[in-house]
Amino acid sequence: DAGVIQSPRHEVTEMGQEVTLRCKPISGHDYLFWYRQTMMRGLELLIYFNNNVPIDDSGMPEDRFSAKMPNASFSTLKIQPSEPRDSAVYFCASSPGTSGPQETQYFGPGTRLLVL
Amino acid sequence: QKEVEQDPGPLSVPEGAIVSLNCTYSNSAFQYFMWYRQYSRKGPELLMYTYSSGNKEDGRFTAQVDKSSKYISLFIRDSQPSDSATYLCAMENGFGNEKLTFGTGTRLTIIP
Repeated sequence: DAGVIQSPRHEVTEMGQEVTLRCKPISGHDYLFWYRQTMMRGLELLIYFNNNVPIDDSGMPEDRFSAKMPNASFSTLKIQPSEPRDSAVYFCASSPGTSGPQETQYFGPGTRLLVL
Repeated sequence: QKEVEQDPGPLSVPEGAIVSLNCTYSNSAFQYFMWYRQYSRKGPELLMYTYSSGNKEDGRFTAQVDKSSKYISLFIRDSQPSDSATYLCAMENGFGNEKLTFGTGTRLTIIP
């Protein structure tokens, strides 16, 4: 299995532009998570899905952020308009099922976003 | 106050030393406790998990949980340069909602 796939790996954009991050979870995994990691705040959960349905989006910073999961093999995180404070590493993770944390979350390599 | 506090380090120790990494937390509902390891420019990967209080050992790694003190630890024996990474603690309340709360991570360097 190729693991969780994220694209792009790096993104540099200017303030005000739309940014779309993409994720392909591990096949057969029911849960998908979007995280943001910064030095100051660490790893923060933004939103997670179960069977393509958003379950908890309380970590989404504001309306500029949106996430979709149109099918079991694809998810997007969109920032519109982007701001310099959105600069961070964004991780996507997936996990197999509902048995609790022993169902490991498998992380992708992350997308490094820099908003100028 | 953050739900999970972790000393960011950095921590540098000589090869072969015993390393102690720690987290404290405030939410008494947490029941599952995990340690993730993150190499530079990579995603985190699960190293160990423990349920409730107690110890768990896996090779050179030992995880300890003291729920009465809301304190968890990860010990690394005979540390190796390949252990150089950022270590993140994570916690979950065990109600099956899959939502993990992470510490900020401790950056560890093992000096050959």
